[in-house]
Amino acid sequence: GESVGLHLPTLSVQEGDNSIINCAYSNSASDYFIWYKQESGKGPQFIIDIRSNMDKRQGQRVTVLLNKTVKHLSLQIAATQPGDSAVYFCEETSYDKVIFGPGTSLSVIP
Amino acid sequence: GAGVSQSPRYKVAKRGQDVALRCDPISGHVSLFWYQQALGQGPEFLTYFQNEAQLDKSGLPSDRFFAERPEGSVSTLKIQRTQQEDSAVYLCASSLSLAGGARRETQYFGPGTRLLVL
Repeated sequence: GESVGLHLPTLSVQEGDNSIINCAYSNSASDYFIWYKQESGKGPQFIIDIRSNMDKRQGQRVTVLLNKTVKHLSLQIAATQPGDSAVYFCEETSYDKVIFGPGTSLSVIP
Repeated sequence: GAGVSQSPRYKVAKRGQDVALRCDPISGHVSLFWYQQALGQGPEFLTYFQNEAQLDKSGLPSDRFFAERPEGSVSTLKIQRTQQEDSAVYLCASSLSLAGGARRETQYFGPGTRLLVL
């Protein structure tokens, strides 16, 4: 496996605003993508996924956008709440490889 | 139902000591993954089982790392002669998938074992 980068990007958002977390993926063969939320002391928790035959998928308060042309993935969180504060990881998956991004720390300001 | 559980949650080892980390996957889950997560980084793949078969161990960093899942349920990750660079959180995940594309199924993660090697 691979994990790119040693520094954790951070994003501070006012409560109630929308958050956008970005991820650049590396493997052109990746065809399945997942966003995870990881709180301190816990394992990653599945948020939403998207397959490569789609470019947008919506969940409850979350939307994932996939741009295969530039190998870019984003997670949008609507009406961000204090409970959304965590580290968010993207994961790209192909048949034989799983790669996690470096993570983004989201801090929600009350 | 119960999620993935891991034990111990914390382990402090002296350099050179052997450690064994346990993972109890969700009942009925065919696939089991181990990851290593260093502080401030994303998880890195170590190894993958489908039932008792270890299908991919390409991520194991050295021959000091060994994983097994003898009965296709509980798995143990063993690290021999631990080094300081082994300090990390070791995550286990399981997924239901029976197919060869198991990596494309939703994985459910345990809370991890935080290993500190002094």
